[in-house]
Amino acid sequence: GDSVTQMEGPVTLSEEAFLTINCTYTATGYPSLFWYVQYPGEGLQLLLKATKADDKGSNKGFEATYRKETTSFHLEKGSVQVSDSAVYFCALRPSGGYQKVTFGTGTKLQVIP
Amino acid sequence: EAGVTQFPSHSVIEKGQTVTLRCDPISGHDNLYWYRRVMGKEIKFLLHFVKESKQDESGMPNNRFLAERTGGTYSTLKVQPAELEDSGVYFCASSQTNRQNTEAFFGQGTRLTVV
Repeated sequence: GDSVTQMEGPVTLSEEAFLTINCTYTATGYPSLFWYVQYPGEGLQLLLKATKADDKGSNKGFEATYRKETTSFHLEKGSVQVSDSAVYFCALRPSGGYQKVTFGTGTKLQVIP
Repeated sequence: EAGVTQFPSHSVIEKGQTVTLRCDPISGHDNLYWYRRVMGKEIKFLLHFVKESKQDESGMPNNRFLAERTGGTYSTLKVQPAELEDSGVYFCASSQTNRQNTEAFFGQGTRLTVV
């Protein structure tokens, strides 16, 4: 079945450091790929998405590129801020529109001043 | 426009008691999903409603869990009787039906603690 593997946390970075959170997936066909974020005390929010190979999703300075050849969707940000502290979830949804989303275990990011 | 709303935000109950979680999807969204995150693990799918019908309930852990969506609007997830391993955060999400690859919007979750 479908699965998502992401790097375990927690990840602690200093403000303005470079961030990479690795994510790889297993799925048949061409799933859509997502990064969700959960800030403290809030619900899950869609951070960015990519629906086909070589697409780059971006939002709030975060980027991730859909790499079919390596089945990866790594999340990156050039300069993190304290306000980026949250739990980040990589996820996929099979092609077909209405299918369920499969999530990774989540990576907790803490950014210190 | 109101987002997905879940109630309560937190619930602490004793083992053996019953708890009912509620989810109000975004108005007009036919698809409603329940997910659960047990401490430190991945967010796992529980079930999917299309309007009032259960489209996929393959993720429901056992028969102590009962989900309903009468009238195709809000949904409830009842756990009876609750066990310690049911503790976690329960998320609800909704999405539209009339577009391919449409985003699912999530609620803030209900944190359930069984003691």
